[in-house]
Amino acid sequence: AQSVTQLGSHVSVSEGALVLLRCNYSSSVPPYLFWYVQYPNQGLQLLLKYTSAATLVKGINGFEAEFKKSETSFHLTKPSAHMSDAAEYFCAVSAANTGTASKLTFGTGTRLQVTL
Amino acid sequence: GAVVSQHPSRVICKSGTSVKIECRSLDFQATTMFWYRQFPKQSLMLMATSNEGSKATYEQGVEKDKFLINHASLTLSTLTVTSAHPEDSSFYICSAREMGVSGNTIYFGEGSWLTVV
Repeated sequence: AQSVTQLGSHVSVSEGALVLLRCNYSSSVPPYLFWYVQYPNQGLQLLLKYTSAATLVKGINGFEAEFKKSETSFHLTKPSAHMSDAAEYFCAVSAANTGTASKLTFGTGTRLQVTL
Repeated sequence: GAVVSQHPSRVICKSGTSVKIECRSLDFQATTMFWYRQFPKQSLMLMATSNEGSKATYEQGVEKDKFLINHASLTLSTLTVTSAHPEDSSFYICSAREMGVSGNTIYFGEGSWLTVV
């Protein structure tokens, strides 16, 4: 079974500041990890994913995340926030290399607010 | 990137009627599609996994007779909410796993707002 915990339901940063969204996972098998972004009234867009290759994963829009097995974490970062980054961010986990590999379990989401 | 399209994006129906939501993968084939429900300001709750040519697998607590899922082709899955009630009002999102691509690549639709009055 897999689960995801996103610390902080709301994060507020100033434009140009570092963005750090936290995600910790629990998985009894090797995981795949994902970050998705959701803008109001829209579906989810994949930002990046970890699938057992490089532990530092670069995604779209300048985001990146680092898989740390020892900390069971997959935190999302961006060096400089932009107003357009304001959205809801979801961390998700799935099992790797199993028959149920596709089933994603989502965290509760973190709403990112970017202020001037 | 791959595109998943949902239709309709918004629908209002009367209580007691049925409504169908379509999920299409536009430029790839998907043997597996997923249906989620999302309440305002909450996370996504997986309702069921739809497999092309076979019965859907429902999550615990989801009524399969109320939420009918059909995955008749590699590019189309439908969710039918039968005998809808106001409590079924929600944002429904589908996703599709791209066939033949490793790494569990899943793309999401834009979502469909259902309001039952």
